[in-house]
Amino acid sequence: EAGVTQFPSHSVIEKGQTVTLRCDPISGHDNLYWYRRVMGKEIKFLLHFVKESKQDESGMPNNRFLAERTGGTYSTLKVQPAELEDSGVYFCASSQNRGVDYGYTFGSGTRLTVV
Amino acid sequence: SQQGEEDPQALSIQEGENATMNCSYKTSINNLQWYRQNSGRGLVHLILIRSNEREKHSGRLRVTLDTSKKSSSLLITASRAADTASYFCATVETGANNLFFGTGTRLTVIP
Repeated sequence: EAGVTQFPSHSVIEKGQTVTLRCDPISGHDNLYWYRRVMGKEIKFLLHFVKESKQDESGMPNNRFLAERTGGTYSTLKVQPAELEDSGVYFCASSQNRGVDYGYTFGSGTRLTVV
Repeated sequence: SQQGEEDPQALSIQEGENATMNCSYKTSINNLQWYRQNSGRGLVHLILIRSNEREKHSGRLRVTLDTSKKSSSLLITASRAADTASYFCATVETGANNLFFGTGTRLTVIP
């Protein structure tokens, strides 16, 4: 089966611009998660979708970040306006059931650089 | 707050040697998982150990869990150059539904 796909793989934008990251989970996976790793720091949870509903968005840093999953398939994460501290690698993961019990399948990540 | 902390932050060994990475965490957990990230690639799930388990094996990987000390170790035996990567432990807190990662250990295996 195809894995979790993230697009773009890299993005360089200027401070104040908008960027939209996309994640295509494994087909049939209801659970979709976003994480990010800021340079040299731990990988932090952002939010969790179950189908199209936000199950947990406690990790979203502020209202400049907007995640959607219309139709319960792919998800987008928009950063508007981007700030320098948003630079990092954004990972998406999906699981069919409770991934926390069995492990997630992660995408390759999107490396975002805000200059 | 940060859940998992790996030790050491970086480790360099010769091919064929064993590599041991440690992870400590702070709260009660449901399970602990180890992931690997090769440069420029995504996270790959390696192994999961549940809170009622003490040791688990998968190929050249051996994971231990000591819930009394809130710590885990990952042992890679007979290392290969292809094992060069960053390794992360991640915990699922009791009753929670997501992973908390540590900062990772950067392993370099020299051919």
